[in-house]
Amino acid sequence: QKEVEQDPGPLSVPEGAIVSLNCTYSNSAFQYFMWYRQYSRKGPELLMYTYSSGNKEDGRFTAQVDKSSKYISLFIRDSQPSDSATYLCAMSTYSSASKIIFGSGTRLSIRP
Amino acid sequence: GAVVSQHPSRVICKSGTSVKIECRSLDFQATTMFWYRQFPKQSLMLMATSNEGSKATYEQGVEKDKFLINHASLTLSTLTVTSAHPEDSSFYICSARDVGGYNEQFFGPGTRLTVL
Repeated sequence: QKEVEQDPGPLSVPEGAIVSLNCTYSNSAFQYFMWYRQYSRKGPELLMYTYSSGNKEDGRFTAQVDKSSKYISLFIRDSQPSDSATYLCAMSTYSSASKIIFGSGTRLSIRP
Repeated sequence: GAVVSQHPSRVICKSGTSVKIECRSLDFQATTMFWYRQFPKQSLMLMATSNEGSKATYEQGVEKDKFLINHASLTLSTLTVTSAHPEDSSFYICSARDVGGYNEQFFGPGTRLTVL
């Protein structure tokens, strides 16, 4: 079993829809949770960063962490064609020296 | 802020040659840099963790003599693919962790290596 599970998609939704991306994990020691966006042939870009449980909102993006269920989500409101990319969840333990474990990424396509 | 650059962005080389890829943190200091490899439509695979002033830590299955890593300063790490072969063709991405930050990593734009 992988430490981090993420549905690879592809996920296709119409412009303006609310998108929900999710990851589950098995390591209860994970404390830091991140979402990255990666456009084709580019490096990943940090979108959201959350410590421990709770919600965090930044513009059209909302990240949720439910540590009791070992489940994290990224919501995109009013989705735009420019949001079409691969979204990677990532997480790590408390130690600043610990490596980050990535999900496999979900390919998202927003139809105009 | 938090910009990481990589050079070159793309390189094509003949089999058997060595290729050096540079990773620089432009506006912050990074005691730790990471090197990843990504095959088409797959996620990032961590190759090694590079700590400034010490030897890199390689992930299981990654040949340290083939993928030489040097992290000589707080803003520069290099990855040298020695005696490259076609199966080494991939997208190589570095990331850096800000000394003053939390645990997030900032990624470079990646280097596409093609070995003929």
